Amino acid sequence: ETGVTQTPRHLVMGMTNKKSLKCEQHLGHNAMYWYKQSAKKPLELMFVYSLEERVENNSVPSRFSPECPNSSHLFLHLHTLQPEDSALYLCASSPSSTGTFYEQYFGPGTRLTVT
Amino acid sequence: AQKITQTQPGMFVQEKEAVTLDCTYDTSDPSYGLFWYKQPSSGEMIFLIYQGSYDQQNATEGRYSLNFQKARKSANLVISASQLGDSAMYFCAMREGTGASGSARQLTFGSGTQLTVLP
Repeated sequence: ETGVTQTPRHLVMGMTNKKSLKCEQHLGHNAMYWYKQSAKKPLELMFVYSLEERVENNSVPSRFSPECPNSSHLFLHLHTLQPEDSALYLCASSPSSTGTFYEQYFGPGTRLTVT
Repeated sequence: AQKITQTQPGMFVQEKEAVTLDCTYDTSDPSYGLFWYKQPSSGEMIFLIYQGSYDQQNATEGRYSLNFQKARKSANLVISASQLGDSAMYFCAMREGTGASGSARQLTFGSGTQLTVLP
């Protein structure tokens, strides 16, 4: 495996379910990110995990819970979601979370549908 | 106020012709980076090109070039010799540097431009 991988690629869940999204990067990077991409909206940063810092977007509801056990893996735990949480969830990684010149490498995304 | 503005929701270009995708940004930080990403229908965001605020020359990567006009705060992407495979959503993004902290120091994306290359 190379780059950034995400599983599952598609997920349909009910509002009472609990599920987790998984992201893994094989690039030796030290920072990982979760983004939400809703239709007709810009990408929204949800969480950042790196050796230097952990950043949370304060507007992200508590029904989204991140976990970063090491620099290569990032999870997004989901529980009691709402239909408006249906979106494409993108994971990304970069060498560092600081510095303006580091591009982020993205995974293919998980298309989440909440019914 | 929006930090990244892409005013073209959709663009069409004939195959083999050049196209310019507009991007303007807003920041008071003297140190920042500008990025362009391509997102095909498959969903993955693909990094295309980077321009630093202190770079003296416009960035180029193959058929992609960035027309960086610092005084106007614009960072337009130019794609030369368009190919059918260039049809995708294109996002401009900015990352602020020394003056920002926390989430403000992360990538901020524009709303994107859907490019369609016509045969």
